[in-house]
Amino acid sequence: QLQLQESGPRLVKPSETLSLTCTVSGGSIRSNDHYWGWIRQPPGKGLEWIGTIYYSGSTYYTYYNPSLKGRVTISVDTSKNQFSLKLNSVTAADTALYYCARHHEVWGQGTLVTVSS
Amino acid sequence: DIQMTQFSSTLSASLGDRVTITCRASQSISGWLAWYQQRPGKVPKLLIYKASSLDSGVPSRFSGSGSGTEFTLTISSLQPDDFATYYCQQYDAFPWTFGQGTKVEIK
Repeated sequence: QLQLQESGPRLVKPSETLSLTCTVSGGSIRSNDHYWGWIRQPPGKGLEWIGTIYYSGSTYYTYYNPSLKGRVTISVDTSKNQFSLKLNSVTAADTALYYCARHHEVWGQGTLVTVSS
Repeated sequence: DIQMTQFSSTLSASLGDRVTITCRASQSISGWLAWYQQRPGKVPKLLIYKASSLDSGVPSRFSGSGSGTEFTLTISSLQPDDFATYYCQQYDAFPWTFGQGTKVEIK
């Protein structure tokens, strides 16, 4: 059974970089035709798609939400069966519950990241 | 970007009611639409994909319909576990976008 688990610092200072890792178990991140990505949810608010990585024909393709103004990078470490999120120049507005997912049906439990000094 | 609009932010209903939640896309998304249920404090759960396909293990009282720009999620007979917030999401084009959510509450 496929499972995803987020990990990373829960507290990030303003202007610094938020870094999270999603560890995939029960399946391979190199499986073709699956989309892997990140979604976030500010406290008490709705869902926002952050970005997605897609593996096909030995190439990874990445797609990001333009509302994040180029601050996002998603990468893959196939040796560890993980994918990662980096969001730089964070502000309080980036405080949220961050989920990793294999779109659309398998989600991690989510990790709350707070941006505060 | 494709905007997804859920016209009702809150919907009050009673146990056993038939409930319909509507989602409209700002342009045609064919059938590339998903519906999620999120109970308080829980992870969003996929209910419907490709507008009308029920995800594995989802009760048959849930159904989805629509194409183009208008989509609906129907709960045929509301059960206690169904009081939650429901989100639509289009995945026809990047950036993928969610509706703002519809909270189904007890009347």
